[in-house]
Amino acid sequence: DTGVSQNPRHKITKRGQNVTFRCDPISEHNRLYWYRQTLGQGPEFLTYFQNEAQLEKSRLLSDRFSAERPKGSFSTLEIQRTEQGDSAMYLCASSSISNRGLIYEQYFGPGTRLTVT
Amino acid sequence: QKEVEQDPGPLSVPEGAIVSLNCTYSNSAFQYFMWYRQYSRKGPELLMYTYSSGNKEDGRFTAQVDKSSKYISLFIRDSQPSDSATYLCAMSPLTGTASKLTFGTGTRLQVTL
Repeated sequence: DTGVSQNPRHKITKRGQNVTFRCDPISEHNRLYWYRQTLGQGPEFLTYFQNEAQLEKSRLLSDRFSAERPKGSFSTLEIQRTEQGDSAMYLCASSSISNRGLIYEQYFGPGTRLTVT
Repeated sequence: QKEVEQDPGPLSVPEGAIVSLNCTYSNSAFQYFMWYRQYSRKGPELLMYTYSSGNKEDGRFTAQVDKSSKYISLFIRDSQPSDSATYLCAMSPLTGTASKLTFGTGTRLQVTL
């Protein structure tokens, strides 16, 4: 197992275009998280999935953002009609959860750096 | 006021120094504390995590939690140039449904030769 992977690593797009990012979590992890990190700031939570169910979305996740995890494995994050303010590093993390509901630590991928021109 | 406060630095120390990195928090629900290291343009890498007050040691790293003061620290002994990175504290409530992490802004550390 090589850890959490994200693709693409870098994306440059023009304002108004749609972009989609992919995250492949660690194989036995049933929880998957998306965070956004801007320069000089810590990551900010966007949303998370347990298996294929999206359980929570942050207020940061506007209507232009949508995330899916159709088979409980990989996840995609789509941003429609991108704006310059969407420029950031988009990080994916995964973790496992025990039968008693204990959440184990989150492991992050390398991130997708989005630049909106 | 942010839930988690962390001095952004930068912090510059000579090789071999002991480094102290700190975070304060305001949310009493936080029970689970982590330190991540992030190199430039990379994803955060988990260094240490702890559930309880007190100290936890792992090699050159010691994590300290004081829940009564809502204060956590990371100490790095015998610092090396390869320790130069941004150090992020993160925390969450210890429940099954509220496991999202709340991060500090990160402290940028530079270890010089």
